[in-house]
Amino acid sequence: QLQLQESGPGLVKPSETLSLTCTVSGDSISSSSYYWGWIRQPPGKGLEWIGSIYFSGSTYYNPSLRSRVTVSVDTSKNQFSLKLRSVTAADTAVYYCMRHIYVNMVWGQGNLVTVSS
Amino acid sequence: QSALTQPASVSGSPGQSITISCTGTSSDVGGYNYVSWYRQHPGKAPKLMIYDVTNRPSGVSNRFSGSKSGNTASLTISGLQAEDEADYYCSSYTSGSTLVLFGGGTKLTVL
Repeated sequence: QLQLQESGPGLVKPSETLSLTCTVSGDSISSSSYYWGWIRQPPGKGLEWIGSIYFSGSTYYNPSLRSRVTVSVDTSKNQFSLKLRSVTAADTAVYYCMRHIYVNMVWGQGNLVTVSS
Repeated sequence: QSALTQPASVSGSPGQSITISCTGTSSDVGGYNYVSWYRQHPGKAPKLMIYDVTNRPSGVSNRFSGSKSGNTASLTISGLQAEDEADYYCSSYTSGSTLVLFGGGTKLTVL
């Protein structure tokens, strides 16, 4: 059964880089025809798609975040990662990793990241 | 402002039926049969309730059904139960490099 688990720091300082990793079990990132991506949800607000990477390596990003975001994979560890640069308080959110085909998504449990000095 | 438009709130009494709408454009909802609906209880991750407009994942009650007409998709919940009280989000595939759109979410209150 597919499981996704986010990991990373819960507190990041303003202007620094937010880095999260998603560890996948029950499927192989490199061999399945799925997208692997990230979504966030600020406290009390709705869902926002951040970006995704296809198993072939192609990346897709939310235009509003594209200049600050990188999604990458480490096939040797069956993990994929998110880097969000130059963060501000507006980037405080629960960050979810997910596997998807079109918009049929399987989610991790989420990781709260607070941006504060 | 979200790319897909949902009502902010809907309500219904136990046993009744409600419908939540999700309006997009011909480049997303209207152009593809790739609309999903997610239910989110407080403090929990969203759960997939409907995918590809009308399909229910294994284990989801048949009280949940989806449909689409033009640029508007809809989620109908029949026989409302207390456990249905939650936030509901629609999502659509879209053309170009922006793969995924979400609606702003609808808070369902079971009276």
